Amino acid sequence: AQSVSQHNHHVILSEAASLELGCNYSYGGTVNLFWYVQYPGQHLQLLLKYFSGDPLVKGIKGFEAEFIKSKFSFNLRKPSVQWSDTAEYFCAVNSRAGGTSYGKLTFGQGTILTVHP
Amino acid sequence: DSGVTQTPKHLITATGQRVTLRCSPRSGDLSVYWYQQSLDQGLQFLIQYYNGEERAKGNILERFSAQQFPDLHSELNLSSLELGDSALYFCASSVDIGDRRRDEQFFGPGTRLTVL
Repeated sequence: AQSVSQHNHHVILSEAASLELGCNYSYGGTVNLFWYVQYPGQHLQLLLKYFSGDPLVKGIKGFEAEFIKSKFSFNLRKPSVQWSDTAEYFCAVNSRAGGTSYGKLTFGQGTILTVHP
Repeated sequence: DSGVTQTPKHLITATGQRVTLRCSPRSGDLSVYWYQQSLDQGLQFLIQYYNGEERAKGNILERFSAQQFPDLHSELNLSSLELGDSALYFCASSVDIGDRRRDEQFFGPGTRLTVL
């Protein structure tokens, strides 16, 4: 069974600080990796995704993530955060476990990011 | 707006009751997924339907059931409700054609269930 672990439960930063949120997964096969963001009171929105190819993935709103296969990691980064980045961030993975579908997402516990102006 | 709609937005009910949550997937999406988000369990996969048939089951209680109709909308039925069932229930949909680049899940706004 696959699992996802996010290292930080709550991160507090000041505006313009750099951000790195850790994510590790456990699964030996081919995986797809995702970062979702959930703004207060809203639904999940996809920030970025990795399927294959260049391990450095760029997403929306200036976010990027790096897939390091040897470390089973997919850390999210942003060079300079803004107050509007205050939200909860979820790392997720799915994998081809038979059939054609990549199926269900397994989520990490989430990291709450608070950015102070 | 993801194109996935869920109704109702909020639901307040009492223990022992039964409720039905509804989800309409994006146009063209064949798969519907249900997830539960609670403070203690986080975001957990409940069940997936593909073109009307159950495809995968996760941590779904026996008191919960779901179905997907011919028009591809889905309903999640929660019965004999307990206080611990209070959570945000998300529906997601995807094309699900076996193409890794296209099998992205789009999430609806969720239904917040409060059991008193």
